[in-house]
Amino acid sequence: GAGVSQSPSNKVTEKGKDVELRCDPISGHTALYWYRQSLGQGLEFLIYFQGNSAPDKSGLPSDRFSAERTGGSVSTLTIQRTQQEDSAVYLCASIPTSGEVPEQYFGPGTRLTVT
Amino acid sequence: DQQVKQNSPSLSVQEGRISILNCDYTNSMFDYFLWYKKYPAEGPTFLISISSIKDKNEDGRFTVFLNKSAKHLSLHIVPSQPGDSAVYFCAARGYGQNFVFGPGTRLSVLP
Repeated sequence: GAGVSQSPSNKVTEKGKDVELRCDPISGHTALYWYRQSLGQGLEFLIYFQGNSAPDKSGLPSDRFSAERTGGSVSTLTIQRTQQEDSAVYLCASIPTSGEVPEQYFGPGTRLTVT
Repeated sequence: DQQVKQNSPSLSVQEGRISILNCDYTNSMFDYFLWYKKYPAEGPTFLISISSIKDKNEDGRFTVFLNKSAKHLSLHIVPSQPGDSAVYFCAARGYGQNFVFGPGTRLSVLP
């Protein structure tokens, strides 16, 4: 079956512009996560959606970052007024409802470059 | 405040030998630990996990050991193969389904 998909795969934008990154999780997965990985760094948690519950936004680095998840499926991460330090790979992951092991299924990521 | 640490940024091992990747954590409330493997330009893929109530889990060439008193876990790969060359991330599940990832260890298996 289809895995987690993300678009675009690469995005180059000018400083100050807004960008939208999209994540299509695996169908039926109720939990969805956004992470970012800066060059040479580990995965930094950004935001987590679980079903219809209020999202955990504790990892968002500033109020320029926001995310939504429509209909419990597709999610969009929006970065307003991008800065050069926003350059990173943005990864989305989902987890199925059932299953003992909390294994995350990751998408291929969106590489964002802010010039 | 790094709750999950992987103190070796890189590791080189000869093909056929054992690879040992280490991970230390500080939060005793973590209840599940997972290892992911990441190739360049791809997302991480799940490798193996262990519950905090166990001390060992084995899956083929991969074994994860957990020492709760030392807050330490390790991933053993035996025998190592060139295709195992990748970045390995240790992750821990905390309160409310939050996951904390370590910075990763780049493993190179030399033929």
